[in-house]
Amino acid sequence: QVQLLESGGGVVQPGRSLRLSCAASGFIFRNYGMYWARQAPGKGLEWVAVIWYDGSNTYYADSVKGRFTISRDNSKNTVYLQMNSLSAQDTAVYYCAREYGGATYYFDAFDMWGQGTMVSVSS
Amino acid sequence: QLVLTQSPSASASLGASVKLTCTLSSGHSSFSIAWHQQQPDKGPRFLLKINSDGSHNKGGGIPDRFSGSSSGAERYLTISSLQSDDESDYYCQAWGTGVVVFGGGTKLTVL
Repeated sequence: QVQLLESGGGVVQPGRSLRLSCAASGFIFRNYGMYWARQAPGKGLEWVAVIWYDGSNTYYADSVKGRFTISRDNSKNTVYLQMNSLSAQDTAVYYCAREYGGATYYFDAFDMWGQGTMVSVSS
Repeated sequence: QLVLTQSPSASASLGASVKLTCTLSSGHSSFSIAWHQQQPDKGPRFLLKINSDGSHNKGGGIPDRFSGSSSGAERYLTISSLQSDDESDYYCQAWGTGVVVFGGGTKLTVL
C-alpha cells in the first residue's frame, strides 16, 4: 500500500527540540523529493521544507530557516524533520508529502500526503 | 511575490456542480497549480495538477466528477454531481524557485 506515516509529535516546552519522522512505503522512495508542511489549529496549510530525491539540496520557509533541518535516509525509506528552538507559533499538525512525478531538481506539486502528527509547544 | 487567492467559502446543492477559483498573483499567470481536498479532521488529499493551458492530471482514484481548467491567472476546480462527502476545505498550491505557497482555502458546503 502506497502511504506516508508520520510520527514523533507530542507536547514540548518552548525552546526545546523535537524530531519528526515520516516512513514511506509502497513506492520507490529514493526517486522522490519529499516535503514537510504544517497546519496550525484552525488555519490553512504552510510549506515548511523540501529535500531533493538524492538529498543533494534542501530549502526552507523563512519562518523555520535556521531552526529546522530536513534530512532523509533512503536505506530506511524515511524523511526527518529536526525542529530546534521551538515556540508557540510552531504548534501545528505536521504533514510529510511526496513530490509529484519524482526525481527532479525543482519544486513541484505534492501528490501524496501523510495523515499528520501533532506538535504542541507549551509550557 | 507568488500569492494565491481563494474565496473563503462556497456552497452548492447536492447533485449540482460548483466551480472553485484560485487566482495567481500578478506576473505568475503561467504557473501551474495543484488542488487538494481536506475533509474534516483528515489530512489533505491531492486532487489534480493544472497547467496554464488548462491541461490537468488527476491523482490516483480521483473520480471523473473532479476536473480542472484555466483562464489567464485563474485556475479552476469544478466538482460535478456534488455528494455530501465533497463537503471539505479545498486548497490550491503553487511553487516557484525556492518556495511553495498555498491559498487560504475555500470551505465548500453542500446544501
